[in-house]
Amino acid sequence: GAVVSQHPSWVICKSGTSVKIECRSLDFQATTMFWYRQFPKQSLMLMATSNEGSKATYEQGVEKDKFLINHASLTLSTLTVTSAHPEDSSFYICSATPGRAGYNEQFFGPGTRLTVL
Amino acid sequence: AQSVTQLGSHVSVSEGALVLLRCNYSSSVPPYLFWYVQYPNQGLQLLLKYTSAATLVKGINGFEAEFKKSETSFHLTKPSAHMSDAAEYFCAVSGSARQLTFGSGTQLTVLP
Repeated sequence: GAVVSQHPSWVICKSGTSVKIECRSLDFQATTMFWYRQFPKQSLMLMATSNEGSKATYEQGVEKDKFLINHASLTLSTLTVTSAHPEDSSFYICSATPGRAGYNEQFFGPGTRLTVL
Repeated sequence: AQSVTQLGSHVSVSEGALVLLRCNYSSSVPPYLFWYVQYPNQGLQLLLKYTSAATLVKGINGFEAEFKKSETSFHLTKPSAHMSDAAEYFCAVSGSARQLTFGSGTQLTVLP
């Protein structure tokens, strides 16, 4: 149980285009989903927290107009990188947490490798 | 606010030797603590978690960690390293906001 999938697993796009990444909780309802960014040989940096049906909360320094997050259902969140540029190339990982109070475990997706040419 | 410090960005051990990966945390509330493992180009897999129950936590693949409040530590150990343990390991802390704060990671190399 507690499986999270991401699609696509890797994507290559041209500079200026937009890319959408999907994050799905396959066997549980995720009241909260998180999006992380990871540069090579570095740790995960939280980009934003999204709760189903409400606007995402972005971390300081993350451009919300560039990284659009939608959490329209309890099993799906999407991250859209708009007008992507080479510096947006990174490994994007989502995680999801079920709605159990007092227990903060997050279940991680396998990640999406974005390369912007 | 929470923070995590992982001492040693790279640790090398011989196969069969003890694995010790260090993690110290800072938290303004009673913390939840986690160890995750990441293999290249993959997401994170949970090794073990501390959620205020037993201070000695046993996880998967023979790993365990001990929560020491007096030392604000949550070090990860394994008695005998295996080649398949070579990976990146992350310690993380979570407070009341459900957000995880990760340490900088420790790359474990297992030598034959």
